[in-house]
Amino acid sequence: DAGITQSPRHKVTETGTPVTLRCHQTENHRYMYWYRQDPGHGLRLIHYSYGVKDTDKGEVSDGYSVSRSKTEDFLLTLESATSSQTSVYFCATRLGLAYGYTFGSGTRLTVV
Amino acid sequence: SQELEQSPQSLIVQEGKNLTINCTSSKTLYGLYWYKQKYGEGLIFLMMLQKGGEEKSHEKITAKLDEKKQQSSLHITASQPSHAGIYLCGAITGAGSYQLTFGKGTKLSVIP
Repeated sequence: DAGITQSPRHKVTETGTPVTLRCHQTENHRYMYWYRQDPGHGLRLIHYSYGVKDTDKGEVSDGYSVSRSKTEDFLLTLESATSSQTSVYFCATRLGLAYGYTFGSGTRLTVV
Repeated sequence: SQELEQSPQSLIVQEGKNLTINCTSSKTLYGLYWYKQKYGEGLIFLMMLQKGGEEKSHEKITAKLDEKKQQSSLHITASQPSHAGIYLCGAITGAGSYQLTFGKGTKLSVIP
């Protein structure tokens, strides 16, 4: 979706290094989400935000932190990357509770 | 156990045939979403259902929500190769919840 940009699209990093993934939206949506997608597990929620500086944990938040200092940007940080965090990461946004979720194109992260 | 169960896990159909994919929740549904995903790409929003008995259609795809059974079905009429992909159902299972939980997906292949 043209309104959501994830960066980088692909990244290879070494175990123990910090990594930050960025989600940028131009839709002025209030809600933003970070998911990871893995074979056999499907999509699982990592963290979400319901407003600027308002964030909460999802199902698989261990090892991840997030920040949202302005409406359009939602950052996902892996403080010390591990091989188990190799995955495809998707950002999603939502205008409000009565609306659908719009997903970005994903970031493929490989931790070696 | 999985909160959202999709069936079947995979499906191979001949072009022109009809097919149905089911999504069953172990919890009360407050919203049900259907998405399609091509391999290596993001999720494309298909439909959102919020009320029991609700039915929506888009081109040859119809989705229904059975609130009593806590189940949704996605029906494709006269399938085409362009329908191939992974179909994911996502659900809101808490009143006023911000979180969308996904099933593991159904992989659809359409043979010309």
